[in-house]
Formats: sequence, C-alpha cells, structure tokens
Amino acid sequence: GAGVSQSPSNKVTEKGKDVELRCDPISGHTALYWYRQSLGQGLEFLIYFQGNSAPDKSGLPSDRFSAERTGGSVSTLTIQRTQQEDSAVYLCASSLDVVGAAFFGQGTRLTVV
Amino acid sequence: RKEVEQDPGPFNVPEGATVAFNCTYSNSASQSFFWYRQDCRKEPKLLMSVYSSGNEDGRFTAQLNRASQYISLLIRDSKLSDSATYLCVVFRPGSARQLTFGSGTQLTVLP
Repeated sequence: GAGVSQSPSNKVTEKGKDVELRCDPISGHTALYWYRQSLGQGLEFLIYFQGNSAPDKSGLPSDRFSAERTGGSVSTLTIQRTQQEDSAVYLCASSLDVVGAAFFGQGTRLTVV
Repeated sequence: RKEVEQDPGPFNVPEGATVAFNCTYSNSASQSFFWYRQDCRKEPKLLMSVYSSGNEDGRFTAQLNRASQYISLLIRDSKLSDSATYLCVVFRPGSARQLTFGSGTQLTVLP
C-alpha cells in the first residue's frame, strides 16, 4: 500500500502477557519512529531507526520494551509482561531522511486488562 | 525547557473566524518545521511544511522566524472541519530523536 500500515489495529491482552506490534513503513523511507499516546496526552517518543544505524532507544520506558527493524523495512515493537499502564495507542511513522516529514500509520490501540 | 512549546489552548472560535497558533523551539540547529493536525482518536497527519519565506495552502498560512525561533499557523475562514489539535513539529538532523513534537493546540470551531 501507499501508506504506513500497522497491525493489529486493536489488541486486548491480559496483564503479564507479551505483545508484538507490527509496522510496515512507506516503501523507500529510511527512517522509522515509534511513539505512544495515552488518551488525551501528547506523543511520547519511544524509538527511532535510521537506515542501518544503531537505533535510538532513549525513549523506551523500561527494559520490557524492545523493537527491531528487519531489512530496513518492517519493524516490530515488543512489550513483555504487559502492565495496565502500557495501555495506549502505539503509533508508527516513517520518513525520508532528508525531508524529515513523517507519515503515520493508524496506530495500534493496546488495552491491558 | 521543552524543545518545542505550544499554547495548549483550547481555542474556541466561531465559523468564519481567523485564528493563529504560535510555536517556539529552543534549538537553533533545527532545520525543518511542520504543522500536523490530529483529529480525536486518529493519527497525526501532515498539514503543511513551513518554509523560511512563509507559505500558504488555501486558507492556511505558515510562517517561520528563525531569528526568534518561532513558527506560526494562521487559519482563515475557519470551518467546522478544522476542529482538531494542531501539532508543531521540528526536525533537527543528527539529533537523537530527529523529529520533536509539540504537545499541541486544541481548536474547536463553533457553528
């Protein structure tokens, strides 16, 4: 497709379970971002990938969070031992390195019960 | 001090009004600037880039003042459909996070 694709669109999981969220960026975009947004709050930066460089993980809130990007394309965000405070919308965005404007997927709404 | 600061609002304006949003950024090495809009429970969408000379897209005008590190967005002839949160975004190449988002300004256009 032409845009950033995220799956699943909604995920309900039990506290303590692991979840994987997937992001398929726009073809040719070298930069990929993960953010999360709690209801009524702003965007919280999680992690940034640029080409083959080491990712910037400075926004990951705890070691339960990890992300990888395979082949410079698809990315997965993994949350281990989910907690209720992990409930949020997880947004992925991609951009061309030079231009900088990012395009977002529709997000994954994660609910931890 | 936050790297990107916006007045959170809310701004409540009647249809047809002109409304202006301001944004300041703290790092002079910032290179590119954008305005996004975010509708309730939706993802942010690029509204327009902001160029040094200022630029216009229909009813929307964006201005950049590098000396004052200030960005603005002007909306003329407001429509009900303009109701959203407007996010100021700054791109700083080589920074750890590249893109930094302001916390947003909420606009409600009233009939």
